Amino acid sequence: ETGVTQSPTHLIKTRGQQVTLRCSSQSGHNTVSWYQQALGQGPQFIFQYYREEENGRGNFPPRFSGLQFPNYSSELNVNALELDDSALYLCASSRSGRSADTQYFGPGTRLTVL
Amino acid sequence: QKEVEQNSGPLSVPEGAIASLNCTYSDRGSQSFFWYRQYSGKSPELIMSIYSNGDKEDGRFTAQLNKASQYVSLLIRDSQPSDSATYLCAVNKSGGGADGLTFGKGTHLIIQP
Repeated sequence: ETGVTQSPTHLIKTRGQQVTLRCSSQSGHNTVSWYQQALGQGPQFIFQYYREEENGRGNFPPRFSGLQFPNYSSELNVNALELDDSALYLCASSRSGRSADTQYFGPGTRLTVL
Repeated sequence: QKEVEQNSGPLSVPEGAIASLNCTYSDRGSQSFFWYRQYSGKSPELIMSIYSNGDKEDGRFTAQLNKASQYVSLLIRDSQPSDSATYLCAVNKSGGGADGLTFGKGTHLIIQP
């Protein structure tokens, strides 16, 4: 157990809808990163939040957005869902935004878009 | 060229043998390297981190890093059936961490009893 929690566990949406996924970071960690993992692939970096600011972003369109709250928990919002958005969404927390810091993953949210 | 490459496998190893997992990366500026284990339907779990050239040992696991060859490996000694999983190699490129981790596709390891 890493101490990182995510909700919900599973989610089914239809194309065009919007979804919000939630993550609580491990105690003492101020950085949250979000990843998308399609079936049979490695996780892909969506973005990172450090002290409530977006600290870096991968190659994902603007319909993927996020927030980090003062308690360092975070949300991932996806608008205008597409079928290809079906994936496991992983949240990882780390002590800071430095590259050497280990990222600890939560259990993930499985999103299915129909 | 893919940024982080791993042989997808499956890699089949007899119980008790040494499993050797390999990973190459393309960005010479990469500074931090991680091995994660992922069981089917679960999230990645950290096995090892390595930052300097050479070997790093932790129990049955040894990570090896060669920055000149842009190569990272993970050895698992005395392989157990519970080691059967997908092993993900991850690299952090920038010093600031803002690029996130870049993962390979993973190597599916099967330990045969």
